[in-house]
Amino acid sequence: GQQLNQSPQSMFIQEGEDVSMNCTSSSIFNTWLWYKQDPGEGPVLLIALYKAGELTSNGRLTAQFGITRKDSFLNISASIPSDVGIYFCAGRNSGGYNKLIFGAGTRLAVHP
Amino acid sequence: EADIYQTPRYLVIGTGKKITLECSQTMGHDKMYWYQQDPGMELHLIHYSYGVNSTEKGDLSSESTVSRIRTEHFPLTLESARPSHTSQYLCASSDTGQVLKGYTFGSGTRLTVV
Repeated sequence: GQQLNQSPQSMFIQEGEDVSMNCTSSSIFNTWLWYKQDPGEGPVLLIALYKAGELTSNGRLTAQFGITRKDSFLNISASIPSDVGIYFCAGRNSGGYNKLIFGAGTRLAVHP
Repeated sequence: EADIYQTPRYLVIGTGKKITLECSQTMGHDKMYWYQQDPGMELHLIHYSYGVNSTEKGDLSSESTVSRIRTEHFPLTLESARPSHTSQYLCASSDTGQVLKGYTFGSGTRLTVV
């Protein structure tokens, strides 16, 4: 079936550093979404992208929908300890009955 | 604030017991999903439903079963729990009319079978 390749698998950074993660697919997607999962909780939607080339920000987070519609990236600027968690990308194509395909996640640890 | 609720949050149960994990949403979403997730690992879709009386198996084979008798309720049942069922179970929902909003997830049930 369809797969998303999310990288890196994990990151360990210093507080204040910028972070970048991305997802790629062999298939075209109509929607890209980025979720964050805090330890012991369910994932929460951070940013949704609906158009190729779209760049969207949410506070210190910026995400882009790749122009080829096969990739997306998420940047976090000036990281803080509460950014710790797992970040999942998710994509949806037109034939998916609203079903999302999730990446394997990027585990972020922030050292104070 | 999420309007999808999972109970219990934590459950420790003996091998061979029958258990039901509850999931309810108050958003009127037509679609609901169950994911299994080992700590810090990927999300694996085990069941989904497109509406009342509709259930499908997901990408990961699971010994659990689900039912969807009411729009707002999507319980997951294990007839005979085993230690291999130890995991976190996440319920989610989405609305066909709001495709662009993605899924709303519950807080999960952390199941331990001893």
